[in-house]
Amino acid sequence: QKEVEQDPGPLSVPEGAIVSLNCTYSNSAFQYFMWYRQYSRKGPELLMYTYSSGNKEDGRFTAQVDKSSKYISLFIRDSQPSDSATYLCAMTLLSGTYKYIFGTGTRLKVLA
Amino acid sequence: SAVISQKPSRDICQRGTSLTIQCQVDSQVTMMFWYRQQPGQSLTLIATANQGSEATYESGFVIDKFPISRPNLTFSTLTVSNMSPEDSSIYLCSVAVSHTGELFFGEGSRLTVL
Repeated sequence: QKEVEQDPGPLSVPEGAIVSLNCTYSNSAFQYFMWYRQYSRKGPELLMYTYSSGNKEDGRFTAQVDKSSKYISLFIRDSQPSDSATYLCAMTLLSGTYKYIFGTGTRLKVLA
Repeated sequence: SAVISQKPSRDICQRGTSLTIQCQVDSQVTMMFWYRQQPGQSLTLIATANQGSEATYESGFVIDKFPISRPNLTFSTLTVSNMSPEDSSIYLCSVAVSHTGELFFGEGSRLTVL
């Protein structure tokens, strides 16, 4: 079993739709969770960072963590064509080893 | 956040040659890493770049193939040695904010080996 599972997509949605991206993980010791957006031929850009269960909102983006279910989500409201990218989830123990585990990424295409 | 500059941003290299990638960070950071991202895949950690000492390599990566230098807290280099087409990848420099664990990436260096 992989430590982190993420549906690779591709996911195509119409402009203005609400997008839900998800990751599940197996190690209950993970404490810190991140979502990255990666445009083609670019490095990953940190979008959201959370460390507790619940929701964190930043503009059109909401990160949700459910530690009891070992499940994290990223919601994008009012999706735009410029949101078309690959979205990677990541998590870490932050126990001094700085071991980060990444999902395989979900390709998102927002159609105008 | 941290601003990370990498160069070159891309290069086309011949088999058997070596290429050095530079990473410059706009602030002093403790934790600096080098990742590889092969086409269509996620990120694989190559090594942790330690300031003033030898890098710590992950399983499957060795110093002879990927020598790393880190002379100070804002700069590191990764060399890809004796390249083969299998080394064609994006190589990413990243830094971690020590008290939060947020991880930031550079723009990446896209290498194509012919």
